[in-house]
Amino acid sequence: DIQMTQSPSSLSASVGDRVTITCRASQGISNYLAWYQQKPGKVPKVLIYQASTLQSGVPSRFSGSGSGTDFTLTISSLQPEDVATYYCQKYNSAPLTFGGGTKVEMK
Amino acid sequence: DVHLLESGGGLIQPGGSLRLSCAASGFTFSSYAMSWVRQSPGKGLEWVSLIIGSGSDKYYADSVKGRFTISRDNSKNTLYLQMNSLRAEDTAVYFCAKARRGHSGSWFDYWGQGTLVTVSS
Repeated sequence: DIQMTQSPSSLSASVGDRVTITCRASQGISNYLAWYQQKPGKVPKVLIYQASTLQSGVPSRFSGSGSGTDFTLTISSLQPEDVATYYCQKYNSAPLTFGGGTKVEMK
Repeated sequence: DVHLLESGGGLIQPGGSLRLSCAASGFTFSSYAMSWVRQSPGKGLEWVSLIIGSGSDKYYADSVKGRFTISRDNSKNTLYLQMNSLRAEDTAVYFCAKARRGHSGSWFDYWGQGTLVTVSS
């Protein structure tokens, strides 16, 4: 099975900082990758699908890139409401594995 | 509006069985794949199982294969997860999630609030 590895596992940044989270697949998955945001005590919410397509209603400061095995989620200007854990997920075929998550905190 | 409501969680002894349900509304249920995703306390998301819109194809994580069974009743707009031979490591919040497409190659665009399953003696 394909493994999904996220890095870093946590980070601390200031308001306005550019934040980058990476996700690596152990084998190529084309662009079958989604990013989710889970705020403390809340349900996960999809931010990006097909590696780079922004879900309707998601702020434009979020963006995704990559294809094959290496993917990136970028927050161009971190806001206080972005404090959350972010997960990548492959969905080219089952198992629909999630990455281990990246916890984003405010400095 | 899409609404997913899980039920059936609770405290169960190791080796026991439990059936979770997810009542769906606000979309054409039979047109979309549905999935269960779980989250152990303080841990990350773990995909558990998926069933395509027609119900004919089902997929499972290795950790639950042979113990859990996913099913759906499209006439009742309801998704199920039958969990047998439960273990302590199955303790988690179980989320019902709607796939964006009818088949297995899809991300999840809506999630329920989750139901807590605690396996303990």
